Amino acid sequence: AQSVTQLDSQVPVFEEAPVELRCNYSSSVSVYLFWYVQYPNQGLQLLLKYLSGSTLVKGINGFEAEFNKSQTSFHLRKPSVHISDTAEYFCAVSQGTNFGNEKLTFGTGTRLTIIP
Amino acid sequence: SAVISQKPSRDICQRGTSLTIQCQVDSQVTMMFWYRQQPGQSLTLIATANQGSEATYESGFVIDKFPISRPNLTFSTLTVSNMSPEDSSIYLCSVSARTGTDTQYFGPGTRLTVL
Repeated sequence: AQSVTQLDSQVPVFEEAPVELRCNYSSSVSVYLFWYVQYPNQGLQLLLKYLSGSTLVKGINGFEAEFNKSQTSFHLRKPSVHISDTAEYFCAVSQGTNFGNEKLTFGTGTRLTIIP
Repeated sequence: SAVISQKPSRDICQRGTSLTIQCQVDSQVTMMFWYRQQPGQSLTLIATANQGSEATYESGFVIDKFPISRPNLTFSTLTVSNMSPEDSSIYLCSVSARTGTDTQYFGPGTRLTVL
């Protein structure tokens, strides 16, 4: 079984500063990795995903994440944040359909607050 | 990506009653999922619903409490039965848009408050 750890429950960042949201996973098999964002009172929106290939993945809204297999990490980064980035961010992992299981396991979330 | 709608968007219900939540997708999908997000917490998968078969429930969730229907490839319902205040949560449906990627797209959620 896989698990996801988001080490920071809350991250305050000044506007236009860079940010990194940390995500570590645990799995005995190959995984697919995802970052989702949840704006206040809304559902989840897919930011980016890693399935295979290049370990640096670019997503929407200027976000990117790097898959590091040796450190079992998939940290999310943005070089310059905006007020509109204030939201809850969830990291998620799946075992991949090669294992016949498309279920996602979510981390506990990181609340990103942008300070004007 | 798929466009997903849910009804109702929110509701306030009395203890002991039941609520049925609808999830509609704008395209045919094989797998649909129902999640619960309790206040201030992450998402927990309730069940996976495939068209033409019984839903598969996760540990801690049972069909009597959360019956699910999946009558066709674009629609599903989740019923929260005999509600208690502990059922107050956001309920989200999601769909797997394309096999082989495990990528899920989410509806806007139904915010349920049980008094």
